[in-house]
Amino acid sequence: EPEVTQTPSHQVTQMGQEVILRCVPISNHLYFYWYRQILGQKVEFLVSFYNNEISEKSEIFDDQFSVERPDGSNFTLKIRSTKLEDSAMYFCASIWGGARKTDTQYFGPGTRLTVL
Amino acid sequence: AQSVTQLDSQVPVFEEAPVELRCNYSSSVSVYLFWYVQYPNQGLQLLLKYLSGSTLVKGINGFEAEFNKSQTSFHLRKPSVHISDTAEYFCAVTKSGGSYIPTFGRGTSLIVHP
Repeated sequence: EPEVTQTPSHQVTQMGQEVILRCVPISNHLYFYWYRQILGQKVEFLVSFYNNEISEKSEIFDDQFSVERPDGSNFTLKIRSTKLEDSAMYFCASIWGGARKTDTQYFGPGTRLTVL
Repeated sequence: AQSVTQLDSQVPVFEEAPVELRCNYSSSVSVYLFWYVQYPNQGLQLLLKYLSGSTLVKGINGFEAEFNKSQTSFHLRKPSVHISDTAEYFCAVTKSGGSYIPTFGRGTSLIVHP
């Protein structure tokens, strides 16, 4: 079965540094998402992306965050200047989008970001 | 806005025993409901979903859930669990007429003991 992949599985960075989290969605999918889960808390929506632009974003997704689909296969989340509170598990997801309201979201295994 | 409450953060159970993981939601509009499972070091996998129709929904791995509109609940059940069911389980809700952005609960850790 096709799957969403994410790299790296674990990223450790110093506060203030830039990080890029990478995702490869399922190849024929059209909608892409980033979520995060701070340890012990809920999975929270960050941003959705369709047709090379952001379609929705949450309050969490402020100016320090950006997303990009640079080459038609990768989908990246960049955090420009990491803060301690950015430490979390970041999940990428994708859906095909043909029956958007009822499509199943496929999630990647996550990247654990630790900001020191 | 929607919200989801998973009442139990952890549910320990013995192998072959039945289990129920509780989920309550609140929403002012019609919703779709989902249960996801996360095995260690893996992503979230859809177990089952309720969109409309029969309130009893059957999913993968022998799980089922029942949508109860009057009690705003969507509890997940399995009649006999296996060690391999040990995982984190997340309940989620989306607006039925809106975009596909789920609101998740905090998760319930199911721990199956031999």
